[in-house]
Amino acid sequence: DAGITQSPRHKVTETGTPVTLRCHQTENHRYMYWYRQDPGHGLRLIHYSYGVKDTDKGEVSDGYSVSRSKTEDFLLTLESATSSQTSVYFCAIFGAFGYTFGSGTRLTVV
Amino acid sequence: AQSVTQLGSHVSVSEGALVLLRCNYSSSVPPYLFWYVQYPNQGLQLLLKYTTGATLVKGINGFEAEFKKSETSFHLTKPSAHMSDAAEYFCAVSDRRGTGTASKLTFGTGTRLQVTL
Repeated sequence: DAGITQSPRHKVTETGTPVTLRCHQTENHRYMYWYRQDPGHGLRLIHYSYGVKDTDKGEVSDGYSVSRSKTEDFLLTLESATSSQTSVYFCAIFGAFGYTFGSGTRLTVV
Repeated sequence: AQSVTQLGSHVSVSEGALVLLRCNYSSSVPPYLFWYVQYPNQGLQLLLKYTTGATLVKGINGFEAEFKKSETSFHLTKPSAHMSDAAEYFCAVSDRRGTGTASKLTFGTGTRLQVTL
């Protein structure tokens, strides 16, 4: 187990509210990623980080922001949640053995 | 830029039959290639990966894949399907990490494998 946990595991929120998802790792890996999974689209990269305070956009970054103030935590924020952001969100780390994924956060925006 | 195409969003095979899941990739640099499996309501589990060296890669649960550069393919096979193989399978490609830049993993849209009696 690469020591990566996501919280919460499930969340239901209302349209227009801010939401923050957390990814925590215990392996001191430099690279961390946020993906979303939707039927018919596979997993798509939202944002990634290559160090503390170093982040960059992925292919579906609109409506999302991220922060990484500590090596172990990578936060994904939906500033104002929309129904199109209902999805399953996966965090990943890249280490010596390749990519390892968290168990996912199922987010429903109503 | 890199991309992955998985041919067939759904594949159905009989138990004991050959499993063949197709994956073609596009990459401007020599790629790392991966196959992941996802069981219902679970995360992604690495089946196998190709980085360098031998082009035939063996993974867990009896799966294997062959990297064919000339065909830009990385098809996943298993000689004999089991009921427990029913899941969704994702092919992915990663660029080789340059100094100071993050490697990124790009996924195909997935193939759902159904195994029937």
